Order: sequence, then structure tokens, then C-alpha cells
Amino acid sequence: DAGVTQSPTHLIKTRGQHVTLRCSPISGHKSVSWYQQVLGQGPQFIFQYYEKEERGRGNFPDRFSARQFPNYSSELNVNALLLGDSALYLCASSFEGPGYGYTFGSGTRLTVV
Amino acid sequence: GQQVMQIPQYQHVQEGEDFTTYCNSSTTLSNIQWYKQRPGGHPVFLIQLVKSGEVKKQKRLTFQFGEAKKNSSLHITATQTTDVGTYFCAGGSSNTGKLIFGQGTTLQVKP
Repeated sequence: DAGVTQSPTHLIKTRGQHVTLRCSPISGHKSVSWYQQVLGQGPQFIFQYYEKEERGRGNFPDRFSARQFPNYSSELNVNALLLGDSALYLCASSFEGPGYGYTFGSGTRLTVV
Repeated sequence: GQQVMQIPQYQHVQEGEDFTTYCNSSTTLSNIQWYKQRPGGHPVFLIQLVKSGEVKKQKRLTFQFGEAKKNSSLHITATQTTDVGTYFCAGGSSNTGKLIFGQGTTLQVKP
């Protein structure tokens, strides 16, 4: 089985632009979470979706939004990019919602210039 | 808000020495998970602890969850060069999928 796949792997954007990151979970996993990891720090929770509904939201501005599709894939959207949004964006899927370990994708490295 | 603190931030050991990282939460946790991230890689799930006082072993790795479910530790016996990486603890919520990650402990092993 394929693991969690994320696209693109790397991205360079200009301040003020918009970006869409994509994630496909492991087959059978209905939960998808998004994390932001700045170099040298632990991942920070952004969103969790389970069965296409938002289950949790982290302390991120409204410029960040996400959704989950009927096939359980997910998109993370960030509007009005700031230099501080430069980070590794990780998607994680799990078999069920709370209480299970997560399988992380390799991430999307976003650089805002 | 809820915080998870992890110490030490860095640890350099000689191959064969033991290693321990400690994790403390400001609030009681539903569960604690441990992940390992190699340089340039992504976090890889190691284990989840749920019960108060729980101890689990995976070969040379021993994981403990405190009685109050606010702290945890990971102990590696006789480290090997393959143990190199950053170890993160992450506190879980019973209501949401939110994981609060610690800052991580980066382990370097000298051969």
C-alpha cells in the first residue's frame, strides 16, 4: 500500500500569493490532519478532518483553511502568504479519529520570498 | 494554552551508552505518542501510551507514561548509530485529533 502522499514536494511563492497543498491518505484512513513544522521545532497542529468534517483547529489565522473530499483526500489552503509561513507542511492520516497513531507524509516544503 | 515541554533539547552520546528524553505536559493528557524524525525526514510513529503508569518496550526502547498522565519518558538502552534523529513526544486529546508536540530531543551518537 502507498503511504501518505503529498504534493508538491517543494514550492516557492511570493508574499501575498495563495497556495494549495494536497494530501492523499493511506487507503482506508478517514482522518487527515495538517501540521506546520518550522525548522528546529516540533510540528504545530493546524487542522484535523474526519469523515469530511472538521474535528479540530489549531491556533492559526483565518488565512489558513482546509477541506476533505469524499475520497478522504485533503487540501490545505493559505491565503495572503507571509514570510513567516515558510515551513514544512505535513499531512498525517490515521485509521480512525482520536487515539490512534498517525502516519505522516514526506511533507511540502514551502518557501515564501 | 496546553504546552508540552521536552528535555533535553540535544544529547550527544557514545555508541553503547544509554539515552533518556523526558516529556512534561501542563495538563492531563488523554494519551501520549512518540515519534522519531530523521534529519530531512518526516515524523515516524513509534508508540502510543494510554493508561496511567503504563510501560511499553520495543526492543531497546522503553516508554513510560506517568501516574498522573502528565509526563512521559523514552529510554534507549545501548544506543546505536541508527538511533540518530529527533525524538518527539506528542500529547493527544480524547475529543479531537489534535496532537501537541514537544520541541523534540535531538540525539547524536558517536561511533
